[in-house]
Amino acid sequence: DSGVTQTPKHLITATGQRVTLRCSPRSGDLSVYWYQQSLDQGLQFLIQYYNGEERAKGNILERFSAQQFPDLHSELNLSSLELGDSALYFCASSDGGSHGYTFGSGTRLTVV
Amino acid sequence: DQQVKQNSPSLSVQEGRISILNCDYTNSMFDYFLWYKKYPAEGPTFLISISSIKDKNEDGRFTVFLNKSAKHLSLHIVPSQPGDSAVYFCAARTPLFSGSARQLTFGSGTQLTVLP
Repeated sequence: DSGVTQTPKHLITATGQRVTLRCSPRSGDLSVYWYQQSLDQGLQFLIQYYNGEERAKGNILERFSAQQFPDLHSELNLSSLELGDSALYFCASSDGGSHGYTFGSGTRLTVV
Repeated sequence: DQQVKQNSPSLSVQEGRISILNCDYTNSMFDYFLWYKKYPAEGPTFLISISSIKDKNEDGRFTVFLNKSAKHLSLHIVPSQPGDSAVYFCAARTPLFSGSARQLTFGSGTQLTVLP
């Protein structure tokens, strides 16, 4: 157990629908990062939050949004889903140290 | 624009031999480099890191080498074990500047298979 909790582990939904992925960071970590890993692809950075505020944006589609709440958990909202959005979505948290990030086990999203 | 590249998608090595995984980067501002290991159905886990001011860091069977002039780093695993079979991601960290956020840029990963 890495200390970063992601729910749900698996999600199957239809095209056009909206889903919410949830992440609880490791205790004490203020930064939360969201990454997308599509089939045979690397980890694509989506967005970062630090202590409730958005700090950096990567290759995040306009149909996607995220937020970090006062208790530091974060949610990634994916709307108007397309088949190509099927991927593993990872959340990571960090305390800014030299070990980088601590990752959760991911949410596997399948859009049918 | 891929700032961090792992050009070998896969590598097979015999148990007991050395595994060498390579990574190239383009941004000379990166201040830390990290290797992560990922098993199927799990998130990546931190393996070893190296500061940009060092050229080698060793931790047990794992050694990371950094060649700044060539913008190249490598991970050596000696001796390789079947349990080392996983996807290995190289990552590079941007330094913290005023108003910016520190973040990691990942390579596309290399699948290492250690054959018994």
